Amino acid sequence: NAGVTQTPKFRVLKTGQSMTLLCAQDMNHEYMYWYRQDPGMGLRLIHYSVGEGTTAKGEVPDGYNVSRLKKQNFLLGLESAAPSQTSVYFCASSYLASGSSSGANVLTFGAGSRLTVL
Amino acid sequence: GQNIDQPTEMTATEGAIVQINCTYQTSGFNGLFWYQQHAGEAPTFLSYNVLDGLEEKGRFSSFLSRSKGYSYLLLKELQMKDSASYLCAPMDSNYQLIWGAGTKLIIKP
Repeated sequence: NAGVTQTPKFRVLKTGQSMTLLCAQDMNHEYMYWYRQDPGMGLRLIHYSVGEGTTAKGEVPDGYNVSRLKKQNFLLGLESAAPSQTSVYFCASSYLASGSSSGANVLTFGAGSRLTVL
Repeated sequence: GQNIDQPTEMTATEGAIVQINCTYQTSGFNGLFWYQQHAGEAPTFLSYNVLDGLEEKGRFSSFLSRSKGYSYLLLKELQMKDSASYLCAPMDSNYQLIWGAGTKLIIKP
């Protein structure tokens, strides 16, 4: 029962370096999300995907790119890391498609990836 | 704009009852979620309300008033393990969650 797995859990980067965070889910969920969490702020949506091959921008997409080549994987890329991208990143998935209010759109989160950009 | 307001921090005593309030303004509304997040861990789902009223689930209950843009989470018989942050998250007309900054709950013996 792995659920949502994020790798790596910790990473330190220098300004300008690039990296990719990997998120994998084994629940056959259609929807996947990348959030960042900073002290004193709510979770902020970076990008999300409503299905394999699709991605969409969230609230704070600048500086990030994503890909969803396989249904179970959602990758978050930083092409040129900046200190402002120091944060804890959470991936999440859900099975409910939009258009329903049944309450089944419960997010399952990964354990988080702590990224520090020097 | 969209806004969520909940207290930054609350303190309560083991065995007592605590109520965590959340007021919200969103573009449309499709229900409200409460999540629990222990320090250094991922948020986990606690409750969902879409209709007015109280939903009870063991020691935890959640209340919603759509007309007032108000919800609360009620925790009874507090245990030390309830020390965590509690995140209020209404869902807007696009079915996107709008997250509050969370209320850090400290339980004292």
